[in-house]
Amino acid sequence: SQQGEEDPQALSIQEGENATMNCSYKTSINNLQWYRQNSGRGLVHLILIRSNEREKHSGRLRVTLDTSKKSSSLLITASRAADTASYFCATGNQFYFGTGTSLTVIP
Amino acid sequence: DGGITQSPKYLFRKEGQNVTLSCEQNLNHDAMYWYRQDPGQGLRLIYYSQIVNDFQKGDIAEGYSVSREKKESFPLTVTSAQKNPTAFYLCASSRSLAGWGNTEAFFGQGTRLTVV
Repeated sequence: SQQGEEDPQALSIQEGENATMNCSYKTSINNLQWYRQNSGRGLVHLILIRSNEREKHSGRLRVTLDTSKKSSSLLITASRAADTASYFCATGNQFYFGTGTSLTVIP
Repeated sequence: DGGITQSPKYLFRKEGQNVTLSCEQNLNHDAMYWYRQDPGQGLRLIYYSQIVNDFQKGDIAEGYSVSREKKESFPLTVTSAQKNPTAFYLCASSRSLAGWGNTEAFFGQGTRLTVV
C-alpha cells in the first residue's frame, strides 16, 4: 500500500493559534493533496501541491513538500473553531489516504 | 448541481445478507473509487475504476464486488464473505486518476452500514 501517515494523530489548540500537521509517504509522487473531513461526512479537497513545488498557499493554508524526505506539512494559521475536523493527506494514482490528524480548535 | 450522491445514508442489514451501496456522479468523471473508514481510522481503498467496464482491486477488496456499466454509476456490493462489514463507506470520483493531470477527488457524503 502507498498509504501515507499523518502526525500527530490528534491536536488540540486554542482559537487563534496556528496548527501544523505532517504527512509522510513511502513512494515517489506526482502530487500530494490535503483533504478535510468533518465528523461523519465526506472529504473535501483543500489543496494540491505538485512534486516540483516546495510550498503553496491558499487563504489561511500553507503546504510544504520535501520530496527528498518524502514528507509534507499543512499549516493552518489563525485557527477557528470551524476548523475542527480531521485532515488527511493523499498520494498515488488511486488517492491513497493517510490515517489522518484530528484537529480540535477550542473557542 | 453537479456532485456525487451516495444512498442510502444509513443502512442496516442482517448478518449473512448481501447489500448494495449506491454511488452516482454527474460530474462526467472517468475515475471512481470506493473506500472504507472504520471509527477513528483513515480511508482504505476497496476498489477503483478508471473507465467504464473496467475496475481494479484496492487494498481490501476481499468480500466486496463492484460494477461499472455506466460512467455515472459505481455500485458496491458488500457480500456475506466480508467478515466485518460494519463501517462507513465513502465513494469518490475524479476527472482521471490522481497522478494524471493533478486532479482532485470529489466525495459523496457516505453510507454508514451496520450489520446486526
